[in-house]
Amino acid sequence: QQQVKQSPQSLIVQKGGISIINCAYENTAFDYFPWYQQFPGKGPALLIAIRPDVSEKKEGRFTISFNKSAKQFSLHIMDSQPGDSATYFCAASKSNTDKLIFGTGTRLQVFP
Amino acid sequence: GAVVSQHPSWVICKSGTSVKIECRSLDFQATTMFWYRQFPKQSLMLMATSNEGSKATYEQGVEKDKFLINHASLTLSTLTVTSAHPEDSSFYICSADRGGNTIYFGEGSWLTVV
Repeated sequence: QQQVKQSPQSLIVQKGGISIINCAYENTAFDYFPWYQQFPGKGPALLIAIRPDVSEKKEGRFTISFNKSAKQFSLHIMDSQPGDSATYFCAASKSNTDKLIFGTGTRLQVFP
Repeated sequence: GAVVSQHPSWVICKSGTSVKIECRSLDFQATTMFWYRQFPKQSLMLMATSNEGSKATYEQGVEKDKFLINHASLTLSTLTVTSAHPEDSSFYICSADRGGNTIYFGEGSWLTVV
């Protein structure tokens, strides 16, 4: 059972464009939703995270939008750059356990 | 710089031997660490939760006798793959809970069993 569903599987964006990755979750007990960026051969790095008490969080070019009623959240990368090319994972957890459940990942390629 | 360190970064071992991977939190104490496994172009699959001073909690389907986890101190957890076989070849990643849901990942360890 896939508790966190992520789409698309891959995404190609031109430099300067907006990259949008979507995730949906099933467990209403989840209350922490981070996004991780992973480069080939490296461990994931925390990009940005949100909790259900807010609908949007922005850090630089990265924005999370959160829809509690729909149990969906998305990552928007503004002004996408070639250096953003990586695999992005959404995740969810219950804060009291901290066990992260990951989405399936989205491979983003940004072309100049 | 990295706040969670893994060692070794890559290791090659012969089939049937055991190999140990270390995960250290560098500037904080972590009562809880997590071990993940990742196959190429796939997501991270949680193997077990490592608790300092107590037994690890394994996810369903993960053989606890094959993947031995020891969390002997607040800054170190080890994963030992016992009697390794080629199908155990994978990218193993640990993470540590710094508190307040701030979880940092290590750089990962590539295991190749030949």
